[in-house]
Amino acid sequence: EAGVTQSPRYAVLQEGQAVSFWCDPISGHDTLYWYQQPRDQGPQLLVYFRDEAVIDNSQLPSDRFSAVRPKGTNSTLKIQSAKQGDTATYLCASSTGTGVYEQYFGPGTRLTVL
Amino acid sequence: AQKVTQTQTSISVMEKTTVTMDCVYETQDSSYFLFWYKQTASGEIVFLIRQDSYKKENATVGHYSLNFQKPKSSIGLIITATQIEDSAVYFCAMREGSSGSWQLIFGSGTQLTVMP
Repeated sequence: EAGVTQSPRYAVLQEGQAVSFWCDPISGHDTLYWYQQPRDQGPQLLVYFRDEAVIDNSQLPSDRFSAVRPKGTNSTLKIQSAKQGDTATYLCASSTGTGVYEQYFGPGTRLTVL
Repeated sequence: AQKVTQTQTSISVMEKTTVTMDCVYETQDSSYFLFWYKQTASGEIVFLIRQDSYKKENATVGHYSLNFQKPKSSIGLIITATQIEDSAVYFCAMREGSSGSWQLIFGSGTQLTVMP
């Protein structure tokens, strides 16, 4: 079974530039999560979806961050105008909606904003 | 409010010994799930083991086991017969069961170094 895949693996930007991250969850997983992991910290949830619906985006900085999952499969997280404080690893995870509770993580995208 | 605290920043042990990593949590929910994840040097985060709050028995998977002390809101991870490849950052995480949220709250992690 293929795991969660993400691209790109690395991104380096100047402040003010835009960037998109792409995630393909494990097949059959209806719930998809985006986390931000600053250096030397634990992951922090940004947003999560069940199928194509946003369930919780309360921790997404809405003025510059957006996330979509239009067909309930792949998802894209976009930062419109990156800031140095956005430097972090962006992790995608997926899980099934019932029964198994564990979230399975992708390899992450390491973002550096100069 | 939910909170997960790992006070041990780093631990070093000799290969083939047993190590325990501490984690305490805060929640108002009567039903919750506790997880341990491992993050390797490459950044990969791997699920290790889970404890459901309503279960009295400590979970065990391979050479990982948990020390669940519900009155102390504590969930320690025990690794027996450690190997070099166990060197990683270990995260404790919690999800509340009654709120309907599937959000995982993570601790700040403990860096484990296993020495030959």
